Amino acid sequence: LAKTTQPISMDSYEGQEVNITCSHNNIATNDYITWYQQFPSQGPRFIIQGYKTKVTNEVASLFIPADRKSSTLSLPRVSLSDTAVYYCLVGDMRNSGYALNFGKGTSLLVTP
Amino acid sequence: EPEVTQTPSHQVTQMGQEVILRCVPISNHLYFYWYRQILGQKVEFLVSFYNNEISEKSEIFDDQFSVERPDGSNFTLKIRSTKLEDSAMYFCASQEGVSTGELFFGEGSRLTVL
Repeated sequence: LAKTTQPISMDSYEGQEVNITCSHNNIATNDYITWYQQFPSQGPRFIIQGYKTKVTNEVASLFIPADRKSSTLSLPRVSLSDTAVYYCLVGDMRNSGYALNFGKGTSLLVTP
Repeated sequence: EPEVTQTPSHQVTQMGQEVILRCVPISNHLYFYWYRQILGQKVEFLVSFYNNEISEKSEIFDDQFSVERPDGSNFTLKIRSTKLEDSAMYFCASQEGVSTGELFFGEGSRLTVL
């Protein structure tokens, strides 16, 4: 399984764009990059998944450079309710499922 | 919106007692998982289940743990003889198909072992 490295914490003000970068130097050919969000005492919630280049949905964008050794989750115009822990997962989820541990994640604090 | 439901939301038990945590996955999903999260720590994989059998399990999932899907809807995690270190939040998750890539988690069952 690819090891991932993310910042432990980030702070932002409401309305700003937040970019959280994840390093995954030993990503394998079949691996996907998936991001989850977790609020205290709740289960993680899927945000976005990608393989290469850029993926965008209604809540976030995921940027993946050509070498795929890192990825950046972009949250446009964050609000207070985006305060949560964000996890970057790298693995062959689409073939092997989710038999993996979540890392420590990035704790995002959004303030007024 | 369909969701994964878990019961109980919180259970307090004495060390050595058996505990059963229940989950109702989303109805058309085929892959089921249990994870645990000790307070302040990582979400750890315990076991995955497909086609009525365990597909993978972690080192944590020892002989004290078992899972079953007794009636085609509920998915249960049993801890035979609880230890203090089993105190954690236990999350059930389901996945429609492996190729879909998205895991849906329940709200969790908090287990406190005294």
